[in-house]
This record gives sequence, C-alpha cells and structure tokens, in this order.
Amino acid sequence: EIVLTQSPGTLSLSPGGGASLSCRASQAVSGNYLAWYQQRPGQPPRLLIYGASTRAAGIPDRFSGSGSGTDFTLSISRLEPEDFAVYYCQQYGISPCSFGQGTRLEIK
Amino acid sequence: QVLLVQSGAEVKKPGASVKVSCEASGYTFTTYDINWVRQAAGQGLEWMGWMNPKSGDTGSSLKFQGRVTMTRDTSTRTAYMELSSLRSEDTAVYYCARGLSPLWLTTARGVRSAADYWGQGTLVTVSS
Repeated sequence: EIVLTQSPGTLSLSPGGGASLSCRASQAVSGNYLAWYQQRPGQPPRLLIYGASTRAAGIPDRFSGSGSGTDFTLSISRLEPEDFAVYYCQQYGISPCSFGQGTRLEIK
Repeated sequence: QVLLVQSGAEVKKPGASVKVSCEASGYTFTTYDINWVRQAAGQGLEWMGWMNPKSGDTGSSLKFQGRVTMTRDTSTRTAYMELSSLRSEDTAVYYCARGLSPLWLTTARGVRSAADYWGQGTLVTVSS
C-alpha cells in the first residue's frame, strides 16, 4: 500500500495570502493518479483536484495542483475565509487507494 | 443532479454487523464505481474499498479484508457496505462516494478513480 505523508500538519495563514500544501508518497504514484479534497467541519469531502493538476468542476482557479512521481503540491492563492478547512491528498492509481493524514489550514 | 443518500445512524454492540446503504440518483448507476470511506471523530479519511456496480466486482483495503462486504441492487440503484465483527474502533462516519471516471475508462487502465460525489455520511457507533 502506498503511504501518503502530508505536511505541514497545520498551516496558519491570513486571508488574502497564499498556501502551499505538500503530499509525499512512499513510492511513485502511477499515472499521477493523485487527488486533493477539502473538508469543512460536519461536511463530506469535496473533490478539488484530480490527476494531480486538473481542477474538478466548479473549483475556482485559485486552487492548483502540481507534482509528479512521489511529490505533489496543492497551492491556494488569495485565501478566502471559506478556504480554511482540512485538506487531504489521495492516490487512486493502485488499489488499495490511500489518503494522507490531512493538513489543517487555519486562520492566523 | 447526482445524489447519494445514505441510511441513518446505527448503534451496534461489539461483535455485531452493520449494513449501510447508499441510494444513487441522477446518473446511470452502473457506469461509475462506488467507494466506501470512513472517518472516526476528529481523525482523517480512511479508504475502505470499492465496488463496480455493473459487474459486482469489489476490492478492499487489506485492513478490512474478511470483514467488509460490498454489494449492490441495480434495480433500486443502491449500494451496500456491511462490516462484521464490529469493535469500538469501528465507531466512525461511513461515506459512500461515486467515482469520477466512468468504469469503461478505469477498467481499461486498471486503476480506480477519484471521488466526485459523496453521500451525507452514516454514523455507526459501536458500544456495549
């Protein structure tokens, strides 16, 4: 099973700023089948990015994904109040699929 | 619109089984796979397994193999996840989620899919 390690665990930033979240895999993610999700309290996860860099439907272009192989990044520009949430990466190229442990983005 | 509606909260005793349902609407049920993911309170997401609603094929995390059974009823567009031999550590919110990519594509590539639509979650509490 591919283990995904996200960093940092918590990121404290101010609205209007930019964020960079990391996801590192224990082995290469086949086909860059890597997704990012946002989860707000009490809600199910929301798909942001798939295929490492493709935004899902309705996701603003403030969100972007990059990376390949074992290192992936989710970047968020011009942070809005609603962006402060927990973010998870997931690899789905090889079953069993796996999630990272999450990065909490909090308001500074 | 695509909707996944899950069954209500359950309270079970240790050693029992629980069966969670996930009724799909707004798309062709047999075209996309269904994933099952759980989340304990204050914890992260844990992928449990997937099911191909057309063929009934399934796959699961090694952690749940032997304890999880995923089935479907295509006539009612409903997927089911049954977890047996419950223990307190199984207390969590269980989600079903639809695969983003159609089955013809994921099957051809031999991969799974990111999940674009999620159910509302079902809280399963295991307590004596």
